[in-house]
Amino acid sequence: GNSVTQMEGPVTLSEEAFLTINCTYTATGYPSLFWYVQYPGEGLQLLLKATKADDKGSNKGFEATYRKETTSFHLEKGSVQVSDSAVYFCALSVNTGGFKTIFGAGTRLFVKA
Amino acid sequence: DTAVSQTPKYLVTQMGNDKSIKCEQNLGHDTMYWYKQDSKKFLKIMFSYNNKELIINETVPNRFSPKSPDKAHLNLHINSLELGDSAVYFCASSPLGRGNGELFFGEGSRLTVL
Repeated sequence: GNSVTQMEGPVTLSEEAFLTINCTYTATGYPSLFWYVQYPGEGLQLLLKATKADDKGSNKGFEATYRKETTSFHLEKGSVQVSDSAVYFCALSVNTGGFKTIFGAGTRLFVKA
Repeated sequence: DTAVSQTPKYLVTQMGNDKSIKCEQNLGHDTMYWYKQDSKKFLKIMFSYNNKELIINETVPNRFSPKSPDKAHLNLHINSLELGDSAVYFCASSPLGRGNGELFFGEGSRLTVL
């Protein structure tokens, strides 16, 4: 079956620290991979995506590389800001006669000033 | 202009009542979804419609009935509400054949069952 496993939170960092949130997946076929972010009281929004092996998605200083050999899509940012505090979801999408997106459990990030 | 809009944003009701949540998208997308997010932030797909046709129906109690009058709207009706139905329900849409499954979410509807 299809599933996504991401590191448990919460993750607490000081401003300007390096961030890594690990994500691994299992999938039949060739999924697209995503990171979504959910700020307090809001819906999810796409942060970045990668659609094939070795693709790197990047946005707002965040990046993640689709690693087929390790079935991973780890999220990184070199220097976090207080405004990055949110819940981050790793997800995969497979086309089963219609796209079905499976989400990881989410990782809450707190960034302290 | 809000791309995916849901109403109401908050809903507080008693056990046993029936309630509906409405969703509309103005993105011209062909596929719409309902997701349930529990108190631990875990997201689970409930339903997916493509051009008014049901294509994904996860293991959801029969008390939940989606309705899609047209491809821009997907409503969720819940009968005989139970305490465990308390959650945030998110509507989402996706373009068919494009975007590789990228989802566009509404702001969510927080349902509290007392």
